[in-house]
Amino acid sequence: EPEVTQTPSHQVTQMGQEVILRCVPISNHLYFYWYRQILGQKVEFLVSFYNNEISEKSEIFDDQFSVERPDGSNFTLKIRSTKLEDSAMYFCASVRTWGTFGEKLFFGSGTQLSVL
Amino acid sequence: AQSVTQLGSHVSVSEGALVLLRCNYSSSVPPYLFWYVQYPNQGLQLLLKYTSAATLVKGINGFEAEFKKSETSFHLTKPSAHMSDAAEYFCAVSEGNAGNMLTFGGGTRLMVKP
Repeated sequence: EPEVTQTPSHQVTQMGQEVILRCVPISNHLYFYWYRQILGQKVEFLVSFYNNEISEKSEIFDDQFSVERPDGSNFTLKIRSTKLEDSAMYFCASVRTWGTFGEKLFFGSGTQLSVL
Repeated sequence: AQSVTQLGSHVSVSEGALVLLRCNYSSSVPPYLFWYVQYPNQGLQLLLKYTSAATLVKGINGFEAEFKKSETSFHLTKPSAHMSDAAEYFCAVSEGNAGNMLTFGGGTRLMVKP
């Protein structure tokens, strides 16, 4: 079965530093997502992305966050100035079509971000 | 707004026993409901989904779930637990007009004792 690939699996950074989390969605997928899970809390939606622009975002996704699909294969999440509360597991997901629930949303294995 | 509540953050069963993981939802429109499983160091894997067809949904690995509108529930069951079922299970809801944006429950860690 095809996979969504996320790198790195673990990222440690200092507070205030910029981090970029990388994802390679499945090649024929068109919709891309970032979710995160703070330790002990629920998995939360951050942002969805289609046709090179954000289609939806949550309240969590403030000006410190940005997403990009720089080269047609990678899908990145950037945090400009990390805060301690950004420490979480970040999941990337992709799906071929939007709103068609016969389609399956594929998740990556996550990047554990630790902000010190 | 949609929300999901999973009762019991940890559930322990013996191998061969019935598995029952509870999920209740709230949604302002007819919902789409999902169960995901996460094995250690892996991503979220779809177990099954309800999309307004049959209320009893069968998924992978012998799991099934029943949508009960009157109880706003979507509990996950498996007749006989296997050691390999030990994992974290997440219930999620999506409202049709929100595309695939999912709202997750807090997760239930299933432990299977030999």
